[in-house]
Amino acid sequence: DGGITQSPKYLFRKEGQNVTLSCEQNLNHDAMYWYRQDPGQGLRLIYYSQIVNDFQKGDIAEGYSVSREKKESFPLTVTSAQKNPTAFYLCASSLRDRTDTQYFGPGTRLTVL
Amino acid sequence: RKEVEQDPGPFNVPEGATVAFNCTYSNSASQSFFWYRQDCRKEPKLLMSVYSSGNEDGRFTAQLNRASQYISLLIRDSKLSDSATYLCVVRDFNKFYFGSGTKLNVKP
Repeated sequence: DGGITQSPKYLFRKEGQNVTLSCEQNLNHDAMYWYRQDPGQGLRLIYYSQIVNDFQKGDIAEGYSVSREKKESFPLTVTSAQKNPTAFYLCASSLRDRTDTQYFGPGTRLTVL
Repeated sequence: RKEVEQDPGPFNVPEGATVAFNCTYSNSASQSFFWYRQDCRKEPKLLMSVYSSGNEDGRFTAQLNRASQYISLLIRDSKLSDSATYLCVVRDFNKFYFGSGTKLNVKP
């Protein structure tokens, strides 16, 4: 089955630790995205990538880093510089065709203890 | 000003009711428009794309008014299973902009 997988589903982190969230897709999509969602809030864009080895900052990139070494994979690292990292993190992908929509993974719920 | 704005609700309606959601967007050059559904603690899932001519999928009808920069979603004969948050989404080139969502509660 084609789709987007994210792991882990739940993640607990101590303050001061970096943590990496995984996102993999087998939809052959060029574009991949990371969003953050806080309770009762909309989605906010962290980073996005249109092509391998290239990515751009979104609206809330501070305290996060990404890499795009393979078309299928777009991991997100939440660093200790992110002041309030507890949130629901969603990865998405799309074709670069401007009429196409996004497809989401199941998300990772990160809690900082 | 937010790129996409929606009434957060909640809309509390009885089963069988018709309910309409609206959404406005700020960039007149936006190219594509969508409605997503998000259940509690789950990822958003595409409900339907929105076309200028309007489009229908069963009990759901979407409309786009480019002149007014306005998108709507109409749900007829509401079911309990329609209870969710509905997100309006606009695509500008390589970025997607999400409204904060409208919460729908369908009650028996």
